[in-house]
Amino acid sequence: QVKLQQSGAELVKPGASVKLSCKTSGYTFSTSYMSWFKQIPGQSIEWIGMIYAGDGGTGYNQKFKGKATLTVDTSSSTAYMDLSSLTTEDSAVYFCARHYGGYPFDYWGQGVMVTVSS
Amino acid sequence: DIQMTQSPASLSASLGETVSIECLASEDIYNNLAWYQQKPGKSPQLLIYYASSLQDGVPSRFSGSGSGTQYSLKINSLESEDAATYFCLQDSEYPWTFGGGTKLELK
Repeated sequence: QVKLQQSGAELVKPGASVKLSCKTSGYTFSTSYMSWFKQIPGQSIEWIGMIYAGDGGTGYNQKFKGKATLTVDTSSSTAYMDLSSLTTEDSAVYFCARHYGGYPFDYWGQGVMVTVSS
Repeated sequence: DIQMTQSPASLSASLGETVSIECLASEDIYNNLAWYQQKPGKSPQLLIYYASSLQDGVPSRFSGSGSGTQYSLKINSLESEDAATYFCLQDSEYPWTFGGGTKLELK
């Protein structure tokens, strides 16, 4: 069955960077897209950007350009998101979710809490 | 960016009742509208895509309708497991955007 397993919770200091992972199984990773999302608890969801696992092509929400960098490792069927220059505003739950062209996000990771605090 | 205005922000209903949740897009999204259910501490689950197509495995008491800028999610015969927050998503134009959410409480 399709699974997206995200890395564990992170506590990071302001100004630091963090790399989140999303390890997939149960489907052909290289023919799919992976998107990433930010959700502050109790609030709505923001789309950060997406990456096509086949060639690493990316598309970002302008709001997150310079903040997030998406990559994939097809050998391990894993997607990554680097978040840089973290501030307290970046404290949130981050999700990954699979999708295909013309079809919305059908499988999601369990989410990972990132807390930015000194 | 396309703004998605979702209403109501919260509602309370009894078991067996029928409820509707609305989403209004700031421009035509050509039926590129999905609905998600999210329970506390969990990831969103896809219910409806392309405005009215039921995702595999989702109970038929969930249905979606609408066109242009106005869309709705209807839940018939509410069950206790339907207590959750519901979000609409437009995937018509980048950046994809979500509605503010509707928290459904069961009395």
